[in-house]
Amino acid sequence: DIQMTQSPSSLSASVGDRVLITCRASQSISNYLNWYQQKPGKAPKLLIYAASSLQSGVPSRFSGSGSGTDFTLTISSLQPEDFATYYCQQSDSTPPTFGQGTKVEIK
Amino acid sequence: QGLLVESGGGLVKPGGSLRLSCAASGFTFSDFYMNWIRQTPGKGLECVAYIYSRTSTIYYADSVKGRFTISRDTAKNSLYLQMNSLRVDDTGIYYCARDKYPRAGFDHWGQGTLVTVSS
Repeated sequence: DIQMTQSPSSLSASVGDRVLITCRASQSISNYLNWYQQKPGKAPKLLIYAASSLQSGVPSRFSGSGSGTDFTLTISSLQPEDFATYYCQQSDSTPPTFGQGTKVEIK
Repeated sequence: QGLLVESGGGLVKPGGSLRLSCAASGFTFSDFYMNWIRQTPGKGLECVAYIYSRTSTIYYADSVKGRFTISRDTAKNSLYLQMNSLRVDDTGIYYCARDKYPRAGFDHWGQGTLVTVSS
């Protein structure tokens, strides 16, 4: 199975900050990388698919980049509703696998 | 758009069984890969099974192979997960989720149903 490793595991940031979360795959996955946001008590929500494509309805302050093994989720200006846990997930090969999550907390 | 609603979770003793259901609406069920994804304290998010009826494709994670069975009723737009020989480490929230399209992430999720395996 492909292992997905996110960093950092958690971070503290202020409203308006630019936030970067990285995800590394244990082998090349081309651009088959997706990002999710999860708030407490809710299901994950798809933000970015195919490494850089914005899911319909997701604010443009979210963006994704990368290919091969290294990927980044960027939040350009953190908003109060963005405090949540973020997960990457590879869809290059079966089984689909997720990172361990990055919790974004209020500074 | 689409809506997924799970049911069937609960408290069960080790070795017991549960059947989860996921009712889908707002899209043509048979056009999509449908998945059961669980979230557990020990392993985080894990895809335990998926099914795609057009090609009769079924997948099971090694951790549930031989114990869980995924199925679907296209006429009822419903997805099922029969879970037998449950173990304590199967405890978690179980979500049904739809593939946006193959290899493009899960774009619709249910609200989740809690399965607790404990004596």
